[in-house]
Amino acid sequence: SQTIHQWPATLVQPVGSPLSLECTVEGTSNPNLYWYRQAAGRGLQLLFYSVGIGQISSEVPQNLSASRPQDRQFILSSKKLLLSDSGFYLCAWGTGPYQPQRFGDGTRLSIL
Amino acid sequence: QKEVEQNSGPLSVPEGAIASLNCTYSDRVSQSFFWYRQYSGKSPELIMSIYSNGDKEDGRFTAQLNKASQYVSLLIRDSQPSDSATYLCAVGSGSARQLTFGSGTQLTVLP
Repeated sequence: SQTIHQWPATLVQPVGSPLSLECTVEGTSNPNLYWYRQAAGRGLQLLFYSVGIGQISSEVPQNLSASRPQDRQFILSSKKLLLSDSGFYLCAWGTGPYQPQRFGDGTRLSIL
Repeated sequence: QKEVEQNSGPLSVPEGAIASLNCTYSDRVSQSFFWYRQYSGKSPELIMSIYSNGDKEDGRFTAQLNKASQYVSLLIRDSQPSDSATYLCAVGSGSARQLTFGSGTQLTVLP
């Protein structure tokens, strides 16, 4: 069966520090991969999605970037975090059009 | 711009009652519809998928779709306190690999 791993579960970072969040999927090949952010009490905001290695689409231009160095690995990065980057970051995977997405456990990021 | 609207709630129902959650969407070519449950502090969990007009039942959950009215709903029968969560509606359009999520409805089931 397919599983998705996301780490770390929680992270506290100072303003201006770098960020790297990693997500890996097991049990499937060539998944579509997604990064979302959820602010407290709010809906899901799609940040990036990828349909293949090295293929990244950005939905919200900001100081975040994403990379997909391997088929089942998706990384969210920042060179300098802002206070507004705080939130619940979720990685998700899907198999294609008309199919649901399934989420990892998420990373709760707090910026101090 | 594709939009998915949900009543934010909170919606409170007594234990054992039927909870009814509603969702409307703006894109007429939408083809796939999903309901997710999100407990406080946790990630969303897929609970129902529906693609055709009508009802789809899975245990205590029934999803209802009316494409002409651009409306999808989720009924939870015999509601339990463990059903207390935020329910997210998500809609997929055409061949897009993205889903548009509603902001969610918070449900509280009172013992």
